[in-house]
Amino acid sequence: EIVLTQSPDTLSLSPGERATLSCRASQSVNSVYLAWYQQKPGQAPRLLIYGASSRATGIPDRFSGSGSGTDFTLTISRLEPEDLAVYFCQQFDSSPPFITFGQGTRLEIK
Amino acid sequence: QLHLQESGPGLVKPSETLSLTCSVSGGSISTSQYYWGWVRQPPGQGLEWIGHTFYSGTTRYNPSLKSRVTISVDSSKNQFSLNLRSVTAADTAVYFCARPGSAYRIDYWGQGILVTVAS
Repeated sequence: EIVLTQSPDTLSLSPGERATLSCRASQSVNSVYLAWYQQKPGQAPRLLIYGASSRATGIPDRFSGSGSGTDFTLTISRLEPEDLAVYFCQQFDSSPPFITFGQGTRLEIK
Repeated sequence: QLHLQESGPGLVKPSETLSLTCSVSGGSISTSQYYWGWVRQPPGQGLEWIGHTFYSGTTRYNPSLKSRVTISVDSSKNQFSLNLRSVTAADTAVYFCARPGSAYRIDYWGQGILVTVAS
């Protein structure tokens, strides 16, 4: 089982600043199967990034993903108050077939 | 636009079976491209994949829950369901139905339903 560890647990930044969120895997992950989600309070998660670096439909270009192997990053440039949320990374491992999520990073906007 | 909606009891007694249904609208559950699955989130905690099924009946479950879980499809009603047996307080969570698409990214989610396990 691949374990995803996200850091930091909580990030507190001001509007206009840049946020860098990390997702580290216990084993190498195929980038095709690495996704990021945003979950605002009281809502279901929303797909932000898939294939490690492709933005989902309707996601602003302030959100970008990068990385490969065991280290992946979600970057949010020019933070806005509406970016207050918990962000999760997710991967799929085919052997055995298993979906796992990171524990999440809480983004606070000052 | 695909829409998923969970339904079922919000309170289940310990040792009983948690049963939820996800109704799908805006598309057919029998499409050959997609899986249909469940994810849960204990209060204040992270996300846990429960399992998913193909419309033909092929299923994949989280190994930690495999002995207690069944996910099935009812194509005639365009619904799929979750049964979790022998529940305990640790199964208290918001349960989301979800559609893993290409490369197992989850591009559609239900709004979620809180299920509390208590006597």
